[in-house]
Amino acid sequence: DTAVSQTPKYLVTQMGNDKSIKCEQNLGHDTMYWYKQDSKKFLKIMFSYNNKELIINETVPNRFSPKSPDKAHLNLHINSLELGDSAVYFCASSQTPSTAQGELFFGEGSRLTVL
Amino acid sequence: AQSVTQLGSHVSVSEGALVLLRCNYSSSVPPYLFWYVQYPNQGLQLLLKYTSAATLVKGINGFEAEFKKSETSFHLTKPSAHMSDAAEYFCAVSLNTGFQKLVFGTGTRLLVSP
Repeated sequence: DTAVSQTPKYLVTQMGNDKSIKCEQNLGHDTMYWYKQDSKKFLKIMFSYNNKELIINETVPNRFSPKSPDKAHLNLHINSLELGDSAVYFCASSQTPSTAQGELFFGEGSRLTVL
Repeated sequence: AQSVTQLGSHVSVSEGALVLLRCNYSSSVPPYLFWYVQYPNQGLQLLLKYTSAATLVKGINGFEAEFKKSETSFHLTKPSAHMSDAAEYFCAVSLNTGFQKLVFGTGTRLLVSP
């Protein structure tokens, strides 16, 4: 059983389209995250949800809209895709949102290519 | 603001040789520090973490790291490299309070030759 699973793993689309990436965790964790990894492998947090509530919202264009229907799921919808959105998007989860807890569990990533 | 700097985007070692991956941090408050490993086409996996207990931290797969406040460093070492250690390694820093928001370094690719 995969602990944190993301779909799709690969996504190729045209500029201007709208796309979604889905994430599910079966670890029973309260907190989920979206991270973006760019072409230089730099990883940056985008959002975090704790029990379906948004707790971290970094400086991300409002074309990106996360949704958490329940604490096991966190989806990412992107409107009007741009070339610069091409990246690998990682979903992660942790037992609590507290930094003292210390471990994030990552999914395998969703590679988005915008043409 | 916190940050980490990883010296060397690529490190090459021979199998059996010492592995040393460097990480220096900047933080205005005592930090928590982490090393994560990313194998090809996989997500990141925690190797080890420092959360203000012992300064020498042992992790999985024979890796360890030492927190040195005077040098603001948290270098990752392994006495003897295996081929299976070839991967991308990320150092990360977090505040020791509040919500978890890891700030990652730019990663170091470890290459292991036979």
